[in-house]
Amino acid sequence: DAKTTQPPSMDCAEGRAANLPCNHSTISGNEYVYWYRQIHSQGPQYIIHGLKNNETNEMASLIITEDRKSSTLILPHATLRDTAVYYCIVRVSTLILTGGGNKLTFGTGTQLKVEL
Amino acid sequence: EAQVTQNPRYLITVTGKKLTVTCSQNMNHEYMSWYRQDPGLGLRQIYYSMNVEVTDKGDVPEGYKVSRKEKRNFPLILESPSPNQTSLYFCALSREPINQPQHFGDGTRLSIL
Repeated sequence: DAKTTQPPSMDCAEGRAANLPCNHSTISGNEYVYWYRQIHSQGPQYIIHGLKNNETNEMASLIITEDRKSSTLILPHATLRDTAVYYCIVRVSTLILTGGGNKLTFGTGTQLKVEL
Repeated sequence: EAQVTQNPRYLITVTGKKLTVTCSQNMNHEYMSWYRQDPGLGLRQIYYSMNVEVTDKGDVPEGYKVSRKEKRNFPLILESPSPNQTSLYFCALSREPINQPQHFGDGTRLSIL
């Protein structure tokens, strides 16, 4: 799986949009970009994923650049409950390449702190 | 939404005393796995299961066993726990083994004295 690079920490004011960047310059054509978050020692929570088109769901939006070398997770109106570590993960999309294991490799992520 | 139930949530025990951490699901998902999380090391996969009676090792399987006799349950067994297995454990599952988001349980914090 391609390696990802994220800033270690970011701050955001409550009610404002939080834009979390992720660099995945070695991503290959069959790899998806996934975002998860973990709120202090709770189980990681899936947020969104995409291949090359921008995606939006009830939690967030995912913007992937045209060359797919980077992406941005957008929380449109951050709240205090969005304070968490956010992980950007790149995953292959074929069962053969994964060897059958849907393993997620979490890096160090970005600690997002939402403040009043 | 997928529900993942882990038990116990917390356990303090002693070296060598066999223990089992249970994981159950209510969504008939095929893929289940176990992770441990340690400071500075992130989440590491212990074992995974593609379906009933199909299990395989992850990155750190030593000292652990699993079984998948039925689709809904995937227990993690520590036959002879040691202090280096003190950790935060998560069970995760997905509908299929690929291209699917994984849903995690709330975690089990084990302390082996």
